Amino acid sequence: GQSLEQPSEVTAVEGAIVQINCTYQTSGFYGLSWYQQHDGGAPTFLSYNALDGLEETGRFSSFLSRSDSYGYLLLQELQMKDSASYFCAVLGNYGQNFVFGPGTRLSVLP
Amino acid sequence: DTEVTQTPKHLVMGMTNKKSLKCEQHMGHRAMYWYKQKAKKPPELMFVYSYEKLSINESVPSRFSPECPNSSLLNLHLHALQPEDSALYLCASSQDRTSGYNEQFFGPGTRLTVL
Repeated sequence: GQSLEQPSEVTAVEGAIVQINCTYQTSGFYGLSWYQQHDGGAPTFLSYNALDGLEETGRFSSFLSRSDSYGYLLLQELQMKDSASYFCAVLGNYGQNFVFGPGTRLSVLP
Repeated sequence: DTEVTQTPKHLVMGMTNKKSLKCEQHMGHRAMYWYKQKAKKPPELMFVYSYEKLSINESVPSRFSPECPNSSLLNLHLHALQPEDSALYLCASSQDRTSGYNEQFFGPGTRLTVL
């Protein structure tokens, strides 16, 4: 089977940097994705890592260490609109399984 | 067009009703997905269609029946549901499932209430 762990809640202030960690267990690992979901909205794709290292997209970066089964999402220059739930998701079993983590609720305070 | 559309937005049905949820995308994606999401929980994968063939059924009860009439459309037929099936049903699509890259585009969802 597959399992993922994320912190349930993170709070930070505007302009700060926050890191959301994700650890996973799976076989046949293909990649780790990150999605953002605002209350009442649909999940929106943020990033995908298949290889070790850092991927940067604007204010958001995502990191993967395959040997540690660990990844993180880094959000810089936080804005109020970044308040949302953030899910990591693993594509495992050689591409046959896609499972979301439990989600991290990010609250950005003024 | 980078949009996935879903109808209806809201649906209330009794346990003896039959209804269908519809999903459409015009991005040329060849993989389409149904998810169920309960409040404050992550989306749970239900079905995956790849090139219009059902490739994954995550042990979903038979009262949920998916259908993929063509590469742009995905339906979810509902029959004899239970109150615990009340949830947000999300449709998503991605380019394909063979490349490994898995950016999924989600529709806004159908909020289903079973009475």
